[in-house]
Amino acid sequence: NAGVTQTPKFQVLKTGQSMTLQCAQDMNHEYMSWYRQDPGMGLRLIHYSVGAGITDQGEVPNGYNVSRSTTEDFPLRLLSAAPSQTSVYFCASSYSMGLEQFFGPGTRLTVL
Amino acid sequence: GQQLNQSPQSMFIQEGEDVSMNCTSSSIFNTWLWYKQDPGEGPVLLIALYKAGELTSNGRLTAQFGITRKDSFLNISASIPSDVGIYFCAGLRNSGGYQKVTFGTGTKLQVIP
Repeated sequence: NAGVTQTPKFQVLKTGQSMTLQCAQDMNHEYMSWYRQDPGMGLRLIHYSVGAGITDQGEVPNGYNVSRSTTEDFPLRLLSAAPSQTSVYFCASSYSMGLEQFFGPGTRLTVL
Repeated sequence: GQQLNQSPQSMFIQEGEDVSMNCTSSSIFNTWLWYKQDPGEGPVLLIALYKAGELTSNGRLTAQFGITRKDSFLNISASIPSDVGIYFCAGLRNSGGYQKVTFGTGTKLQVIP
């Protein structure tokens, strides 16, 4: 099993550009989530999904969209990047909400 | 939004020393988790605690679920250089019919050989 994979590993954007961060898992996990990690702030939940076709907002959802068309994939979209979105983004998955989450390696995003 | 307070924020210790860190909140949680994040990697689960008062060990690591259910503690004995990283606590509680997870702010550990 590859576990949780994320692409790209690094990305630089200009303000106003759009992009999609990819996340995939091959463990047949129902629950997937996106976090951002900023210095001194820990991990903050952006969006999550409890299964294909079901998504919900986390703690800091503004500026981000998600969709869950398959169990395996959970992409995160930035429609118009802003410097405040410079961060490290982690995708995670688990069998169900509340159980151990497996994290991907992260995407380091810089918005100029 | 809800955040868990972790302390200390960072610590430098000599190899071989014991380490203690804790996580506190004003809210009650029904599960506590401790993760470790190596530089450039995603967090990995170290220990899970499911009952108030529970004490669980994983090698040199020992964690406790506080009896008030509002705090948790992690101890590392006889630290080694590979213990370097950021340690996160996470609390789980029922919210709106779902189990919601909240992460702490992290404790950055540096081990001096």
